[in-house]
Amino acid sequence: AQKVTQAQTEISVVEKEDVTLDCVYETRDTTYYLFWYKQPPSGELVFLIRRNSFDEQNEISGRYSWNFQKSTSSFNFTITASQVVDSAVYFCALSEIQGAQKLVFGQGTRLTINP
Amino acid sequence: DSGVTQTPKHLITATGQRVTLRCSPRSGDLSVYWYQQSLDQGLQFLIQYYNGEERAKGNILERFSAQQFPDLHSELNLSSLELGDSALYFCASSVTGESSYNEQFFGPGTRLTVL
Repeated sequence: AQKVTQAQTEISVVEKEDVTLDCVYETRDTTYYLFWYKQPPSGELVFLIRRNSFDEQNEISGRYSWNFQKSTSSFNFTITASQVVDSAVYFCALSEIQGAQKLVFGQGTRLTINP
Repeated sequence: DSGVTQTPKHLITATGQRVTLRCSPRSGDLSVYWYQQSLDQGLQFLIQYYNGEERAKGNILERFSAQQFPDLHSELNLSSLELGDSALYFCASSVTGESSYNEQFFGPGTRLTVL
C-alpha cells in the first residue's frame, strides 16, 4: 500500500527565513509520481510540482526548490526567503504511474509566515 | 480557474439527511475523481469514474455512492449523514486517468456541514 508521511504538522517562521517541508513516502511500485500541492486559506488545491520517480534531478522554480532522494524515499520542499503569501497548508502526494493514478496525500503541513 | 466546477459551494444539512454534490469536469476530460478532506482522515481518495464507468474505489463508505453521466458530469450522493461526514469534498478531472501522466485538475470544493 502507498503511504505519505509529513511529520511536521505545523511550522511557523518569520518572513524572509528559508523553510523546508519534509515528505517521506512508501510504495511497492518501482515507478511512481510525486507531487506537492498548496492549499491557501481560501481552500482550493493549487498544484505546485510533479516528479517522476526515475528523474531524481532537483528542481528550482523561483523561490521554490524540491529535493527528491529515492534512496531515502523523501521528496522535500524548500521555500527560500519566505513571504507572508506563502502561508498555507502544503500537501505532498504520491500516485501510481499505471492504473487509476489516484493521489495518496500526506496529512499536510500548515506553514505560517509571520511578518 | 481550473475549469472544473462544483456545486453547491456550501451545504448545511442535518444528520440522517441525504445530499448530492455535483461536479462538471473540464471540457474534454473523461475521468472524474472524488476526494474528501476531513479533520479526522485528511485528504483521501473516494472514487474514480472514467467515461461513465467506475474505475477505482478508495475509502468510500457504503452510505456514499457516485455516478458519471453521459455528458460526463458526476454526482456524489451522501446518505444517512453523520456529523463525521462534515468535510470539504473535492472533484478533480483528467483527460484519461490511465497510463502516461494525466494531470488532475481540482475543482474549488463543496464544503458540507452536518449539524
